[in-house]
Amino acid sequence: RKEVEQDPGPFNVPEGATVAFNCTYSNSASQSFFWYRQDCRKEPKLLMSVYSSGNEDGRFTAQLNRASQYISLLIRDSKLSDSATYLCVVTLYSSASKIIFGSGTRLSIRP
Amino acid sequence: EAGVAQSPRYKIIEKRQSVAFWCNPISGHATLYWYQQILGQGPKLLIQFQNNGVVDDSQLPKDRFSAERLKGVDSTLKIQPAKLEDSAVYLCASSLWIGGTGIYEQYFGPGTRLTVT
Repeated sequence: RKEVEQDPGPFNVPEGATVAFNCTYSNSASQSFFWYRQDCRKEPKLLMSVYSSGNEDGRFTAQLNRASQYISLLIRDSKLSDSATYLCVVTLYSSASKIIFGSGTRLSIRP
Repeated sequence: EAGVAQSPRYKIIEKRQSVAFWCNPISGHATLYWYQQILGQGPKLLIQFQNNGVVDDSQLPKDRFSAERLKGVDSTLKIQPAKLEDSAVYLCASSLWIGGTGIYEQYFGPGTRLTVT
């Protein structure tokens, strides 16, 4: 089993739709979680950190479920500009840090 | 605020040659990372520096890859000799150091696209 797993997609949804995808992780001791967005042939950019209580930033909502070991990203009222690959990141810090990226979920918004 | 700078942006070399990449992090960011991203995959952490010390290099192929961060600012990543499977984008990122919390809001440079023929 991979340490961090994402559904590769692609998710193809119409503009204005709501879309959600999950990211599962295997190490229950994982401490910090993030969502990054990566456009084609560009570098990843931080979208949002994921807090235990869940957090929202405009049309984006991130949640953490420690019991089931997954994080989720919900995008409401999707825009054409939301088309990208969404990467989840899981980190673990003990004597040294461990940072693991998922392989990403591709999202395509159609007009 | 200036972002993470990397050079070169593109590099094509033949197998068994050597190559070096350079990274300048965001000013004030103590932590610097090098990642390898193969097409269709997420970035894989190669090495993490805290100032000029190595925090984690467990996934760095040390027989051919080396990295340094002299003076705790700029960093270079070298591959010698290169193999075909090293073809990838090499990303540099930096972040503030937030104690021992495991919280790393990383900011990435544009990457160096390496093609090994």
